[in-house]
Amino acid sequence: QVQLQESGPGLVKPSQTLSLTCTVSGGSISSGDSYWSWIRQPPGKGLEWFGYVYYSGSTYYNPSLKSRITISVDTSKNQFSLKLSSVTAADTAVYYCARGIVDTPRFDYWGQGTLVAVSS
Amino acid sequence: QSALTQPASVSGSPGQSITISCTGTSSDVGGYNYVSWYQKHPGKAPKLMIYDVSYRPSGVSNRFSGSKSGNTASLTISGLQTEDEADYYCSSYSSSSTLDFGGGTKLTVL
Repeated sequence: QVQLQESGPGLVKPSQTLSLTCTVSGGSISSGDSYWSWIRQPPGKGLEWFGYVYYSGSTYYNPSLKSRITISVDTSKNQFSLKLSSVTAADTAVYYCARGIVDTPRFDYWGQGTLVAVSS
Repeated sequence: QSALTQPASVSGSPGQSITISCTGTSSDVGGYNYVSWYQKHPGKAPKLMIYDVSYRPSGVSNRFSGSKSGNTASLTISGLQTEDEADYYCSSYSSSSTLDFGGGTKLTVL
């Protein structure tokens, strides 16, 4: 059973960079049929997809957030990461990491989510 | 504002059936058979319930079914059970090569 766990600071100051890591267990991040995504949910709002990274390092980002996002993978640690720059209070959200399936856009495993607040 | 429109809430009694709608455009829901539905209980990870409009992952009860007509997708839950009470989110691939989500629907089992 694949499991994902987010980790990172729960509080980030405005204008700084938010950094989160997702550790994958029970399966290999190098699986060719999977891609690895970040998704967030601001308080009281819906879900927003950031983009994905493939085990090879190739990425695709949501155009609406592309200028501020970096998603990377570390296959030696079975981890992938999110960096979101120049954060504001609007970036306060629960951040989820998830596994996507290559052949069709769906997420079959998700982390529990981690709340990140942006505040001075 | 979410790209896909869902009702904020729906309710039903145990044993009844309910349907949650997810309305988009011809650029997302109407243009692709890539609609997914997720169930989320408070404090828990979202769970994939339906993918590719109407396919159920292994282990998901056959009380859950999905369909699509035009730009609107639907999730139907039959034989409602108390454990079905949760938030439900739809998702669709879009022509801008993104994955859009709905705002979520809170299902209350009365």
